[in-house]
Amino acid sequence: DAKTTQPTSMDCAEGRAANLPCNHSTISGNEYVYWYRQIHSQGPQYIIHGLKNNETNEMASLIITEDRKSSTLILPHATLRDTAVYYCIVRAADYKLSFGAGTTVTVRA
Amino acid sequence: NAGVTQTPKFRVLKTGQSMTLLCAQDMNHEYMYWYRQDPGMGLRLIHYSVGEGTTAKGEVPDGYNVSRLKKQNFLLGLESAAPSQTSVYFCASSYDPRGLSNQPQHFGDGTRLSIL
Repeated sequence: DAKTTQPTSMDCAEGRAANLPCNHSTISGNEYVYWYRQIHSQGPQYIIHGLKNNETNEMASLIITEDRKSSTLILPHATLRDTAVYYCIVRAADYKLSFGAGTTVTVRA
Repeated sequence: NAGVTQTPKFRVLKTGQSMTLLCAQDMNHEYMYWYRQDPGMGLRLIHYSVGEGTTAKGEVPDGYNVSRLKKQNFLLGLESAAPSQTSVYFCASSYDPRGLSNQPQHFGDGTRLSIL
């Protein structure tokens, strides 16, 4: 699986959009980009995933660059409940998710 | 619809004791997984199962055994608990990712295990 690089931490103001970057320069053609988050003491929560095209669901949007070497997760209107560790993961169609250190996002009032 | 349920939520063991962690899912998922998470670290895969009656080793399988006798249940056993196995254990399940789709994994809320 391709390795990902994320910032260690970032702050965001409540009500504003949060843009979380992820670099995955060694991604292969059949590897998807997944985003999960983990709120303190809870299990990881799936947010969104994509292959090439931009994706949007009720939680977030995923923007993948044309060369697929990086992506951005967008939380359109961050709330205090979005404070969590966010994990960017790339993997092929197999069983394994490799969780790195992620980005600790703190939403401030 | 409960999703993925883990039992128990908390447990304290003495070194050398044995125990079984239970994971149950009601989504009819083929794949199930056991991860452990240590403080300040990401999740690491212990064992996984691609279907009833099958199991396979993940990244850190030593000291653990698993069984998948029923599709909806995945058991994680510690035969002789060691302090190094103090951790938070997460179970997850997903659709069959045989290249036909890339469905996400759904996680339980974890079992917090302390070995004294």
